Amino acid sequence: DAGVIQSPRHEVTEMGQEVTLRCKPISGHDYLFWYRQTMMRGLELLIYFNNNVPIDDSGMPEDRFSAKMPNASFSTLKIQPSEPRDSAVYFCASHFLPPNRGVAFFGQGTRLTVV
Amino acid sequence: GIQVEQSPPDLILQEGANSTLRCNFSDSVNNLQWFHQNPWGQLINLFYIPSGTKQNGRLSATTVATERYSLLYISSSQTTDSGVYFCAAGGYGGSQGNLIFGKGTKLSVKP
Repeated sequence: DAGVIQSPRHEVTEMGQEVTLRCKPISGHDYLFWYRQTMMRGLELLIYFNNNVPIDDSGMPEDRFSAKMPNASFSTLKIQPSEPRDSAVYFCASHFLPPNRGVAFFGQGTRLTVV
Repeated sequence: GIQVEQSPPDLILQEGANSTLRCNFSDSVNNLQWFHQNPWGQLINLFYIPSGTKQNGRLSATTVATERYSLLYISSSQTTDSGVYFCAAGGYGGSQGNLIFGKGTKLSVKP
């Protein structure tokens, strides 16, 4: 398996623009997670899905952020409009077992820079 | 929620040395994982270890759940071990999907 695949790897955008990050989880994994990593706050969970259904989105910072999982093999994280403080590395991870039992597999991340 | 603290924050070793990284957590956990983030940013799971001891090559980990800590041992360190090591814990209450990450231990192994 190719692992968790994220695209793009790097994204530079201007403030106010819409940004869409993409993730393909490992086939057969029922759980998908979006994390954000910054120097100030470290790694934070934004949202996670089970069987394509959002389970916990309490980490989504504000209404400008939205995430979808239209099918088992694809998820998006959208920021509209983007702001400089959204600059971070965004990771997608997938699990096979329930999160409290399983090992998390991370993608390589998308480094987002909003100027 | 659970608080996760890691120590030391930074560690510099000569190649071949051994080291112990510590992770303290503030509440009972049913999920404890160790990750290595390499210099290119990739996060790799090292251990899923909510309790007990596991070994994988030069790495081993022990979690003493009753005392709320976990240790990661690196023996005969190599330059490729450099990077940041994260401990992440998940609890019984609330969202069981929420792994709380510590701030990490940045390890530099010098040749």
